[in-house]
Amino acid sequence: EPEVTQTPSHQVTQMGQEVILRCVPISNHLYFYWYRQILGQKVEFLVSFYNNEISEKSEIFDDQFSVERPDGSNFTLKIRSTKLEDSAMYFCASSEALGWGANVLTFGAGSRLTVL
Amino acid sequence: KQEVTQIPAALSVPEGENLVLNCSFTDSAIYNLQWFRQDPGKGLTSLLLIQSSQREQTSGRLNASLDKSSGRSTLYIAASQPGDSATYLCAVMTGANSKLTFGKGITLSVRP
Repeated sequence: EPEVTQTPSHQVTQMGQEVILRCVPISNHLYFYWYRQILGQKVEFLVSFYNNEISEKSEIFDDQFSVERPDGSNFTLKIRSTKLEDSAMYFCASSEALGWGANVLTFGAGSRLTVL
Repeated sequence: KQEVTQIPAALSVPEGENLVLNCSFTDSAIYNLQWFRQDPGKGLTSLLLIQSSQREQTSGRLNASLDKSSGRSTLYIAASQPGDSATYLCAVMTGANSKLTFGKGITLSVRP
């Protein structure tokens, strides 16, 4: 069964450092997403991405965050200068379609980010 | 702003029991509602998706229902097993960009 692949599974970084989380979406999917889950909290939407541009972003997704699809297979989330509160599990997801009832998002296993 | 609530936060039942997990949401303008399973420290596994025009979906021992007008969904698990122990998340899809809004989840423990 096709799956979304995320790397690294766990990254530890120092506050202020840049971090790039990588995702390989399902090959025929056109819509890509990042969500995050702070320990013990809800899964929160960060950003959706289609046709090489952001289609929607949450208030969490400030100027410290950026997304990119550098080639035909990868989708990345960059955090420019990490803060302690960025520590969370980051989930990538992809889907075939947008905004209709049968649209299923497939999630990756997540990348755990720990900021010290 | 859409809010999704799942109560209780945790549930413990003996093996073999049938159980119902509840989910409520504040804005009925949804495209669909999805139930996910999350094992500790792991990703999200989609269990069932109910489109806004549907009333229920079934997969094996799982049955999910949707009452959009009242903003409620239930996940019914028949004949629970210890392997069903996990956190069950409810999420609703809204907006043109397929944004999912999640509940906090219900952590289920099935005792042998």
